[in-house]
Amino acid sequence: QVQLQESGPGLVKPSETLSLTCTVSGGSISSYYWSWIRQPPGKGLEWIGYIYYSGSTNYNPSLKSRVTISVDTSKNQFSLQLNSVTPEDSAVYYCTRDDHGFDIWGQGTMVTVSS
Amino acid sequence: QSVLTQPPSASGTPGQRVAISCSGSSSNIGTSDVYWYQQLPGTAPKLLIYRNNQRPSGVPDRFSGSKSGTSASLAISGLRSEDEADYYCAAWDGSLSVWVFGGGTKLTVL
Repeated sequence: QVQLQESGPGLVKPSETLSLTCTVSGGSISSYYWSWIRQPPGKGLEWIGYIYYSGSTNYNPSLKSRVTISVDTSKNQFSLQLNSVTPEDSAVYYCTRDDHGFDIWGQGTMVTVSS
Repeated sequence: QSVLTQPPSASGTPGQRVAISCSGSSSNIGTSDVYWYQQLPGTAPKLLIYRNNQRPSGVPDRFSGSKSGTSASLAISGLRSEDEADYYCAAWDGSLSVWVFGGGTKLTVL
């Protein structure tokens, strides 16, 4: 079955760039939409954006100026970059597959923004 | 403040039926399908209901979803202790061009 695994630094300094990668295993990244969703500690879910395997993207307007999502089909991976981070960007970041809802989720990775 | 409104908490005793509401607007629930997610403590959310009332394979039929106008509801019948979790509704908002979530409802099984 398809599994997702996030990877990247758990600590990022303020004003720097948060970079995470999601590796898709057990299936192809092709023919689906793939999203990033985050959850600050003790709070709810926030959709960051999605990418189609072909490379087309759509971002949450509240983050659009700072977000880039990219895909590498040869590696079966997609990635998130969030620029100019602040402590308010500290959260668990999840990668998900969007197929009739967010049907598959990674385990999530906690990213803390702190100096 | 979440775009979709859910009660922050709900509770019930084993065997009872509980319902969790989700209120939105014409730009999201009124024109888009509603999805429900269950998040057990310390774990990633899990898709519970898709397209308003459809259950993914493996989700017990104790869980059911409905939608009417700009509101939706998740019902859990035959409540069990393992149902204690946070529940989130979600929908696509056509005006904002964004997936929106409810603030989540913490379900306690007494």
